[in-house]
Parts: sequence; C-alpha cells; structure tokens
Amino acid sequence: DTGVSQDPRHKITKRGQNVTFRCDPISEHNRLYWYRQTLGQGPEFLTYFQNEAQLEKSRLLSDRFSAERPKGSFSTLEIQRTEQGDSAMYLCASSSSLGQDYNEQFFGPGTRLTVL
Amino acid sequence: KNQVEQSPQSLIILEGKNCTLQCNYTVSPFSNLRWYKQDTGRGPVSLTIMTFSENTKSNGRYTATLDADTKQSSLHITASQLSDSASYICVVRSGGYNKLIFGAGTRLAVHP
Repeated sequence: DTGVSQDPRHKITKRGQNVTFRCDPISEHNRLYWYRQTLGQGPEFLTYFQNEAQLEKSRLLSDRFSAERPKGSFSTLEIQRTEQGDSAMYLCASSSSLGQDYNEQFFGPGTRLTVL
Repeated sequence: KNQVEQSPQSLIILEGKNCTLQCNYTVSPFSNLRWYKQDTGRGPVSLTIMTFSENTKSNGRYTATLDADTKQSSLHITASQLSDSASYICVVRSGGYNKLIFGAGTRLAVHP
C-alpha cells in the first residue's frame, strides 16, 4: 500500500498521560498536514510541514501539542498531559508541490484517541 | 469569516434511489472546491474537484455542480448503493496550499 499510513489506529489513554502518533506520508510528497476531527464535524487544521520545516501552526495547537518531521519524511504528533477534550480522530495528509497530483491532499486512515 | 455549510446534516435513502447534497460557502479568495467521501473510521477520499470555471463534473455515479456566483455546490448521487453509506464533506481551498476549509459533512445512510 503506497498511501498515507498512520500508527496506531486507536489509542486509549488515561487523562494526564502523554501520547505520540506517527504518520508516514506518500513517499514522494514533500508536504504533510495534521488535522483533528471530532464526531460529526469536518477536520480542523492543526499544522503543516514542507519537508522538515513546520511552516504553520493553528491556534488549536496548544503548548501541550508538538509535531515534528525530522528528516522530511515521517512525522510525529505528541500530546502531553492529555485531557478528555483531546479525544478525537487525528488525521494526517500529504501532498506534493509538483506533478499531476499538485497540491491534492491525500488522507491517512487516522488515529482515534480516547482519553478516559 | 470563511465558512462552509452543508445540508442536510444527515440523510436516509433506499438503495437504488438518487439524492442530492448541498454545500454553501463564504470563502474568499476561492481557489477550488472538493467533495470527499469519508467512511466511518477512515480518512476522507477525494471524489471530485471543481475550479471557478467549472459548472459540472462527473465521477461515475457522482455528479458535482458549482455555481460560483451564488457560492453553492451540490453532489448528486445516482442509483445509490449500500456502499455509498458514508459522510460526504465539502471542502473549499482558499488561496494558499494549506488553506482548506471543511464543512461538517452530510451523513448518508443507504438502506436495502
């Protein structure tokens, strides 16, 4: 499968614990995005990378959230001291700045986080 | 404020019937509009993309329309199948490469 992959698919944690999610984009895509989606709503933009540079962060991304893309390939999203309000689906998407798929974002299957 | 509103919020139809989903947007500047299908527990998958100059575009049983003057789009599904049961999300790109504004989606259930 050459699409966007995310790991884990599901995560249940207790309030106050830290969690980390991983996203592997389509291999030739240089742009990577993180979104959060709550039940019954569309995805909300969290942050965006071009190669290894984090170029934009939403105000939704509080200080407890940090994202990295150290080598310009896979990315991690860490949430520290989780709160029940963090329960959501976390989606990763990737796109290319070149080629016929120019700027089309391809989404991964998401990681569903439940904070107890 | 840039917004994308979809209606209805949910819809139940019988297999084989047609349906139309609506999307109204107040987004400026407008680059393009996409309809995504999102199965439960999965990421969204693009169905079709509409640019400012396009009025109608089809993808199999899916037909999208765009009226840039009234800022409205619709997604028409013909001869629905059980596998069409999903959320359909209208997404408008506003200028930059990462400026996607998502609607809340229409949850479609197709019953036998």
